[in-house]
Amino acid sequence: EAGVAQSPRYKIIEKRQSVAFWCNPISGHATLYWYQQILGQGPKLLIQFQNNGVVDDSQLPKDRFSAERLKGVDSTLKIQPAKLEDSAVYLCASSLGGVAAGELFFGEGSRLTVL
Amino acid sequence: AQSVTQLGSHVSVSEGALVLLRCNYSSSVPPYLFWYVQYPNQGLQLLLKYTSAATLVKGINGFEAEFKKSETSFHLTKPSAHMSDAAEYFCAVSDLGQGAQKLVFGQGTRLTINP
Repeated sequence: EAGVAQSPRYKIIEKRQSVAFWCNPISGHATLYWYQQILGQGPKLLIQFQNNGVVDDSQLPKDRFSAERLKGVDSTLKIQPAKLEDSAVYLCASSLGGVAAGELFFGEGSRLTVL
Repeated sequence: AQSVTQLGSHVSVSEGALVLLRCNYSSSVPPYLFWYVQYPNQGLQLLLKYTSAATLVKGINGFEAEFKKSETSFHLTKPSAHMSDAAEYFCAVSDLGQGAQKLVFGQGTRLTINP
């Protein structure tokens, strides 16, 4: 079974530039999550999708971050404009149902460095 | 909102020694609890989970954790450490977010194994 795919693995940009990350979840997984992991901290949930609908985006900085999951499968996370404090690993995860239904499967992450 | 506290950002043990990683959660009702492991440059992988069944939970790679409601703890143990156990370990608790259950992670504990 193929795992959660993410790209790019690494990205370096200047502050105020834009960047986009892509995630393809495990086939059949209805729930998709984007987490931000800053160095030395645990992952923090940015946004959670159920199929193509948003169920939780309470911690997404909406003035600069956006995410979509148009057909209920793959998803993109965009940052525009980027700030220095956005340097982090962006982890995508998927699950069959929600948290209570089973485990989350994580991708390898996209490491962003903002200079 | 739920929170998780992991005591000790770094733990170092000798190969063959007992591994004990501490996790305390804040919750007024029994939550779902998880331990995830992250190897360098990889995503998170589920070690084990507690979902209100047996209080002693066995996971992969010889790890286990005990849910103690009276102490609001979910410490992770392994009787004999192996070099391959060197990684970052995250405790997580379920929390009801905006519209669905979500995972809230602790800050992580980096485990080093000395030969």
